[in-house]
Order: sequence, then C-alpha cells, then structure tokens
Amino acid sequence: GQNIDQPTEMTATEGAIVQINCTYQTSGFNGLFWYQQHAGEAPTFLSYNVLDGLEEKGRFSSFLSRSKGYSYLLLKELQMKDSASYLCAVKRGANNLFFGTGTRLTVIP
Amino acid sequence: GAVVSQHPSRVICKSGTSVKIECRSLDFQATTMFWYRQFPKKSLMLMATSNEGSKATYEQGVEKDKFLINHASLTLSTLTVTSAHPEDSSFYICSASGTSGRLEQYFGPGTRLTVT
Repeated sequence: GQNIDQPTEMTATEGAIVQINCTYQTSGFNGLFWYQQHAGEAPTFLSYNVLDGLEEKGRFSSFLSRSKGYSYLLLKELQMKDSASYLCAVKRGANNLFFGTGTRLTVIP
Repeated sequence: GAVVSQHPSRVICKSGTSVKIECRSLDFQATTMFWYRQFPKKSLMLMATSNEGSKATYEQGVEKDKFLINHASLTLSTLTVTSAHPEDSSFYICSASGTSGRLEQYFGPGTRLTVT
C-alpha cells in the first residue's frame, strides 16, 4: 500500500509565497505529481518529479527528496485564483497514481 | 491538446437502476484509462485501471461486479454503476494516459452521480 500525507488546509496572503508539503511511504515509487483542483472541477497537472531536486515552472516549483519520502510545492506571488486544492500523487509502477488527501489553500487579500 | 471529456456531467438516478458514464480522449489515443471516485472535500481514490482491449484491474475494496468498466477502443472507456444505491452517490473522474510519451494523466471534468 501507500501512505501519502499533506496538511488539510492552509491560508496565505495575496502576493506571498506558500509551501505545501507532502510526505509519502510507498513501494515501487516511480515519480511524484502535483495537481491543482478547483472545487467541482477535474485536477489539472502542475508538475512532475522523479529525480531528487527542484523543478521550476513559472510561479510554481516542486521539490523531491526520494530518500526522505518528501516533496513540496512552492507557489510564489500568490494570486486569488490560486485558491484551490493541491493534490500530491505518487506514481507506482508504469501508470497508477495514488493521491494524498489534498491541501485546501485559501488566498486572502 | 490532451483533452478528455466525460458524459454526462451530472446524472440523477433511482436506487436499483444502472447508470453508464463515458470517458473519451478527444485528441489522443489513450492506451490506459483510470477511474477515480472523489467524496466531498476528499482526495481522489483510484478505483480501477483499464487498458484498451483487456479487462480492468480493480483496486482492493472496489467491487468489479458493481462497477463495470469497458475500454473497447483507444478513445473510449465506460464505467457502469450497476444496481445503484445512495451510497454510490459521488463524483466520478476518469483520466487517460496515452502513447505520446508524456508522463502525466489527463483528467476528465468529472461526473456527479446522485442516487435517490
């Protein structure tokens, strides 16, 4: 099986930086994904890490440490539209994704 | 590119009836499709994985006779909830991964099922 943990809720201020952590325990690890999901909508892909280190894509960055079973998603220059749930998902084997409980981020003015 | 559609977006059915949800990849060939279930304010739970032309692989605790999955072509997978009960009410989301070599799964917009 797999165990994937994220904080349930976070609040941050517009323009600030927020870091959402994800820890995992799994066998057959084959990469870690971050998805954004607005209420009632499908998740949209944000980032993918399979090797240790930081992947940067615009205002979003994702970090992975495989030895520690740890990842984080970093959001910079927060905007109100960034209020959403952020899902950490571990890939096992060729295809299967297993999601954490998600972190509901609220951006306040 | 990489658009996945689901139909219907919302469905209400009576207890005991069956309902079919379609998942289509519109602009790529989906060798593998996934079905997830999501409860309110919870994350996605993988129900099953299906490869085109073969039987679906169900996750532990998911009844394969209740949730029938068919992946008859590279662009279409269907999930049929048989003999639906109110506890089957949920948000069902499909995703697809294709042959392009890209790693991520592309998600459909989801289907809200309400069983009365």
